[in-house]
Amino acid sequence: EVQLVESGGGLVQPGGSLRLSCAASGFTFSNYGMSWVRQAPGKGLEWVSSVSGGSTYHADSVKGRFTISRDNSKNTLHLQMNSLRAEDTAVYYCARRYSDSSGKNRAFDYWGQGTLVTVSS
Amino acid sequence: SYELTQPPSVSVSPGQTASITCSGDKLGDKYAYWYQQKPGQSPVLVIYQDGKRPSGIPERFSGSNSGNTATLTISGTQAMDEADYYCQAWDSSTSYVFGTGTKVTVL
Repeated sequence: EVQLVESGGGLVQPGGSLRLSCAASGFTFSNYGMSWVRQAPGKGLEWVSSVSGGSTYHADSVKGRFTISRDNSKNTLHLQMNSLRAEDTAVYYCARRYSDSSGKNRAFDYWGQGTLVTVSS
Repeated sequence: SYELTQPPSVSVSPGQTASITCSGDKLGDKYAYWYQQKPGQSPVLVIYQDGKRPSGIPERFSGSNSGNTATLTISGTQAMDEADYYCQAWDSSTSYVFGTGTKVTVL
């Protein structure tokens, strides 16, 4: 059974840093692209960052402040968040990229339960 | 940047058909995906590659995508289908893009 378990969320002051982790199990972690997607309270979904192969991608809203990384030896995904702002307050989900033989699909087939990040003084 | 627009809400009677639209520039040239999110839960992929259903998703969920509009259709809507629904696409300049979301209410 595929499982994604996020951790590391909490309350942080504006300008502060936080590191999120996502522990993956039930699949060959290194074979899949992984992403972070966030959802501000009462709002919609927003893609944050992705890692696929050796490449990383970040939304413009977090570029230069957030860094996604993965440790395939530990089946773990990370999101280092620096210079946090009030607008970064959200539930952060870890999500696995859907994979099929075509390689053309870019969607998320498994999601974690999310971890809440609150940026406030 | 690429944007996807959905109606804020859709109401449907039990057993009837609900249709949720998702609009974006030349969306038909991309794959459209749909997620269901119930209160307090994580999103669930219900449609991929415009109209395909992942394993375990009921047949009453279907999708289409042409021109500038993708549509999620729920046939024979049940009370358990009441949720927020988000479309999603991938754009080479913006990467993953989500729609604004639609709240489906089963009256």
